[in-house]
Amino acid sequence: QQQVKQSPQSLIVQKGGIPIINCAYENTAFDYFPWYQQFPGKGPALLIAIRPDVSEKKEGRFTISFNKSAKQFSLHIMDSQPGDSATYFCAPGGSGGGADGLTFGKGTHLIIQP
Amino acid sequence: NAGVTQTPKFQVLKTGQSMTLQCAQDMNHNSMYWYRQDPGMGLRLIYYSASEGTTDKGEVPNGYNVSRLNKREFSLRLESAAPSQTSVYFCASSTGKEQPQHFGDGTRLSIL
Repeated sequence: QQQVKQSPQSLIVQKGGIPIINCAYENTAFDYFPWYQQFPGKGPALLIAIRPDVSEKKEGRFTISFNKSAKQFSLHIMDSQPGDSATYFCAPGGSGGGADGLTFGKGTHLIIQP
Repeated sequence: NAGVTQTPKFQVLKTGQSMTLQCAQDMNHNSMYWYRQDPGMGLRLIYYSASEGTTDKGEVPNGYNVSRLNKREFSLRLESAAPSQTSVYFCASSTGKEQPQHFGDGTRLSIL
């Protein structure tokens, strides 16, 4: 059973557009919802994360929206730039999740066209 | 401040050979992790260590062993390498037991 479902697998957006990447999870005990950004040849980097006590968090051009009842959270990139082209991963979990809480989605390959 | 340092960066092995991938962090983090990344598979957890002296299996532990040598270092050993273990291996660390906060830049391992 797939614990984390990330979509879409790939996404092409014009510069200035708003790509949206979605992540669905199963475990209702999860309490920490991060997104990671990975550039070719580099390790993933923690980009932004949210706790379930809020429904939205913004950091610069990056926004997480969280829907606890639907067990989903999304990453939005405002005013997207070619430099945002990367692979993005979600990894829902938390300190009490054990190995289940350390599972990553399969990734979304995002291309921002100039 | 180097963060998470992995050595070597690249390695080619023959089937049946053994090797150890090294990882060290200088952030005084309690938890350390080993993941492998394969095309289309995302990152899969091999082993993790929530504190010095403890290790636990992840999703894909078969064929691997780990050692949490001290708080800074967490090594991954392949005793008898197989072509299916060709992958990019990432070490990571975090303050607590939550998802990784910092990743190394990976070891690219090819097994012929």
